[in-house]
Amino acid sequence: SQQGEEDPQALSIQEGENATMNCSYKTSINNLQWYRQNSGRGLVHLILIRSNEREKHSGRLRVTLDTSKKSSSLLITASRAADTASYFCATDGGSSNTGKLIFGQGTTLQVKP
Amino acid sequence: NAGVTQTPKFRVLKTGQSMTLLCAQDMNHEYMYWYRQDPGMGLRLIHYSVGEGTTAKGEVPDGYNVSRLKKQNFLLGLESAAPSQTSVYFCASRPQRGGYTFGSGTRLTVV
Repeated sequence: SQQGEEDPQALSIQEGENATMNCSYKTSINNLQWYRQNSGRGLVHLILIRSNEREKHSGRLRVTLDTSKKSSSLLITASRAADTASYFCATDGGSSNTGKLIFGQGTTLQVKP
Repeated sequence: NAGVTQTPKFRVLKTGQSMTLLCAQDMNHEYMYWYRQDPGMGLRLIHYSVGEGTTAKGEVPDGYNVSRLKKQNFLLGLESAAPSQTSVYFCASRPQRGGYTFGSGTRLTVV
């Protein structure tokens, strides 16, 4: 069963605009991670936020985590055409000794030049 | 280049045939995973390993077997391929702390 569910499923914006994607999950977690997948490629790790953190930044990425609402958001500022990809959130489902992640179905982002 | 290497990249099998997918990582990671990705289903965990010589079932293990005889390699086997196993298969590894490193995937078609 899917742990994370992303919203929206698809997003289309113009270059320079900000893109916000949301993720909801069901169980307790130790951390939540975001990944990017370009078409036909493997997933690339973007950022990890621990359950005791509320916000984290990495370059143009900003991730927030609200454990009371079991939700997270990924903000990409000043988007570029190269940001076109699918974005997935993943949680560890509270398991810390196996490292296995449960992925959502992803948000497909299109950034138009 | 350091990372996760999957072979083969593409394969077409006939129903009932067997094959092995190889995943190799050179980062000395303890944990390794096999996922399948299907349209509208996201990534689903097939099997995983928390160290050399250990394996465990994931969410969708039926029809697959795995082995981790060496720390750097994680093999995924299909004993008798079925059309339902048509998918893109991803291997990933991770250290004790941190995110996954994924391979580039194996696109498998079973006809």
